[in-house]
Amino acid sequence: EAEVAQSPRYKITEKSQAVAFWCDPISGHATLYWYRQILGQGPELLVQFQDESVVDDSQLPKDRFSAERLKGVDSTLKIQPAELGDSAMYLCASSRGQGTRREQYFGPGTRLTVT
Amino acid sequence: SQQGEEDPQALSIQEGENATMNCSYKTSINNLQWYRQNSGRGLVHLILIRSNEREKHSGRLRVTLDTSKKSSSLLITASRAADTASYFCATDGTGGFKTIFGAGTRLFVKA
Repeated sequence: EAEVAQSPRYKITEKSQAVAFWCDPISGHATLYWYRQILGQGPELLVQFQDESVVDDSQLPKDRFSAERLKGVDSTLKIQPAELGDSAMYLCASSRGQGTRREQYFGPGTRLTVT
Repeated sequence: SQQGEEDPQALSIQEGENATMNCSYKTSINNLQWYRQNSGRGLVHLILIRSNEREKHSGRLRVTLDTSKKSSSLLITASRAADTASYFCATDGTGGFKTIFGAGTRLFVKA
């Protein structure tokens, strides 16, 4: 069964350092999502791609976060510089298309700890 | 911003009992989905119910939707220890293009 791949699974970094996460969605899924999940809370959408285009990044802290999906397949989320408050689980998901009736398939996540 | 809010925040039951979780939301929706998350893992889609549906079943899961009360419930019958997880409802954001998750209900099923 196809799965969403994410790496690394765990990342510890010091404050002010740069960090990057990678996501490979299920083949053929045009829509890709990056979520941040703080412990004890639900996932919060950071950015949504349709193919290589950003369709929603309203909650992405653009002064330090960036995301790209250059060829419309895999994607990278970067934080520079990392802050203590960025410690969270970063989840990637994909779906066949846009719209809230689409089932989203989630990867295992990257657990980020900023010290 | 949270659209859906789950209740209770945590639930502990014995294996074999039924578990009911509720979700309330603020604005009208097109669809509502329920997801499960095992500890430290990604989310898994359980079921989607459209705004014109009142009830859906999938195996041991039963979801109801009351749009007049802006609420939904997820019932897990004959729970098992493997059902121990967090359960999230997810609804449309403003404009219906964005999925917004609630804070979740943490279910613990004791063997």
